[in-house]
Amino acid sequence: GQQVMQIPQYQHVQEGEDFTTYCNSSTTLSNIQWYKQRPGGHPVFLIQLVKSGEVKKQKRLTFQFGEAKKNSSLHITATQTTDVGTYFCAGPGGGADGLTFGKGTHLIIQP
Amino acid sequence: ETGVTQTPRHLVMGMTNKKSLKCEQHLGHNAMYWYKQSAKKPLELMFVYSLEERVENNSVPSRFSPECPNSSHLFLHLHTLQPEDSALYLCASSQRPGKAFFGQGTRLTVV
Repeated sequence: GQQVMQIPQYQHVQEGEDFTTYCNSSTTLSNIQWYKQRPGGHPVFLIQLVKSGEVKKQKRLTFQFGEAKKNSSLHITATQTTDVGTYFCAGPGGGADGLTFGKGTHLIIQP
Repeated sequence: ETGVTQTPRHLVMGMTNKKSLKCEQHLGHNAMYWYKQSAKKPLELMFVYSLEERVENNSVPSRFSPECPNSSHLFLHLHTLQPEDSALYLCASSQRPGKAFFGQGTRLTVV
């Protein structure tokens, strides 16, 4: 079945440094979604990318969808303590409309 | 307030107990989902209900039994669970095939 791989699993950064997480799918995706889960919280939708090569920005967050629609990345510029959490990518295909999630990247920020 | 409400937030149960998790969505969505989140695995899709019809997921043990009486409510009935079933159980809803809105989850501990 479809697999979504995400790296790194953990990322420690100093506050103010940049952060990037990468997502790769074993199959071509019709779209890819990104979620953020704060410690002790639940996943919250951030964005959906649909088009090949698409780039979207949300303030300090930049999301990219690969040309082949099999990979994606999330880049955060100048991290802040509020960015702490786990970032998940997810693609359709978890079985009839469900999502297949990557394992997530845990972002730890040191002040 | 996410629009998806789960109860209880925490549950401790013995292996011989029977309990139920409840999920309610106030978003008018037409699909609801149960996900399992444990420390060692990514978010795992357990069940999907689309327009109140259940989509089977054969990898879920029969000790987990979902019920969707209407488009706003979803239950997960639990019986004779194992300690390895301890996890965060997340309910989500979506307007197919859009983004998922998650509830705050039920932290389940099986003793």
